[in-house]
Amino acid sequence: NAGVMQNPRHLVRRRGQEARLRCSPVKGHSHVYWYRQLPEEGLKFMVYLQKENIIDESGMPKERFSAEFPKEGPSILRIQQVVRGDSAAYFCASSPRSAFYTEAFFGQGTRLTVV
Amino acid sequence: SQELEQSPQSLIVQEGKNLTINCTSSKTLYGLYWYKQKYGEGLIFLMMLQKGGEEKSHEKITAKLDEKKQQSSLHITASQPSHAGIYLCGAEYGNKLVFGAGTILRVKS
Repeated sequence: NAGVMQNPRHLVRRRGQEARLRCSPVKGHSHVYWYRQLPEEGLKFMVYLQKENIIDESGMPKERFSAEFPKEGPSILRIQQVVRGDSAAYFCASSPRSAFYTEAFFGQGTRLTVV
Repeated sequence: SQELEQSPQSLIVQEGKNLTINCTSSKTLYGLYWYKQKYGEGLIFLMMLQKGGEEKSHEKITAKLDEKKQQSSLHITASQPSHAGIYLCGAEYGNKLVFGAGTILRVKS
């Protein structure tokens, strides 16, 4: 019974490159949340997706960032033209339905370093 | 401003001592989650509280929810080095699961 799987665990990109972060939710979970954690800070909500739909992207920067959760396959967080300020740990969580009354399962995170 | 305020921001305690971490919501709480994060790792679910006055315990960690005050507290009894890490409270507001900034706990041997 695999938990939330994120890959890669560590990602190094040069400024201006693209970063693709993958999140495979727990089997059967159709809700995915992405969070960003800067050093010494808490988790900041970025986006909430259900299969094929973006439900809430109020925490995601308007430019360079995008997220998807296709019918088949993992959820992808994409950062175009990365800058040093994008260096952070990115976590995803999944739940079988809206997290209210249920626990959300978190992945181990992807640590993005922009050099 | 933060929807969930945690206090203190950081805490250093001597091994064996008790400690309390607080979480206050600016909005009505319908449920509150506590997680622990070790440095450089993912989140570990500790417990979820749903009803006003509810109290749950897991090993030496107890959490309470006071809905009237829109607060929750996490209490650790006889702290151990294994308790060190970042403790985060979370609550659902609308579509989002929102977290406090976290409390960094260090336990001195």
